[in-house]
Amino acid sequence: QSVLTQPPSVSAAPGQKVTISCSGSSSNLGRNYVAWYQQLPGTAPKLLIYDNTKRPSGIPDRFSGSKSGTSAALGITGLQTGDEADYYCGTWDSSLNVYVFGTGTNVTVL
Amino acid sequence: VQMVESGGGVVQPGGSLRLSCAASGFTFSNFDLHWVRQAPGQGLEWVAFIWYDGSNQYYADSVKGRFTISRDNSKNTLYLQMDSLRAEDTAVYFCAKTGPRSYYMDVWGKGTTVTVSS
Repeated sequence: QSVLTQPPSVSAAPGQKVTISCSGSSSNLGRNYVAWYQQLPGTAPKLLIYDNTKRPSGIPDRFSGSKSGTSAALGITGLQTGDEADYYCGTWDSSLNVYVFGTGTNVTVL
Repeated sequence: VQMVESGGGVVQPGGSLRLSCAASGFTFSNFDLHWVRQAPGQGLEWVAFIWYDGSNQYYADSVKGRFTISRDNSKNTLYLQMDSLRAEDTAVYFCAKTGPRSYYMDVWGKGTTVTVSS
């Protein structure tokens, strides 16, 4: 079961901004870096953000990450139809010694 | 950099299957590795994690005692031995490489499908 909580869905018009929240606990987000993954329909997940705020090469700066305490957030600005996907946060849980994913958020571009 | 899974298929409940993940394009023995699965229409579920040298392994409670993660650094290959399979193990299984000295998954395979059904 997921121990990181995300909203099931968010939506906005093209060009607008969305923010996806990820809520955890002291043993996971409170102690470790968060990563964000994008999963387009029918494809494997792809790393979007790592170490809370860093973007891998090739990921546009429209995507940004933040973390404070036991919560994290992914922001997407200048929303495009190609951003329609499921987004997951993830981190290591130091008490359980497992990797935990968020419940996932579906982004819809209206 | 590439990860390619194989070994999926249809198996009866109680049966076994071994998945493989062939890696290329990086120094395999320097990186920790994960298995992650996704049941039909569901979210991502982490399965198992192994250190770069194979000396430590970690498992989700849902598979502990039934699945075994291992690696052969001489063959650049990751494995997942799955025993006592259940219907709820039906999923697409992905292997993933970690970032340097990190837990995050920076390279993913396309996945292999496991179906447990009589």
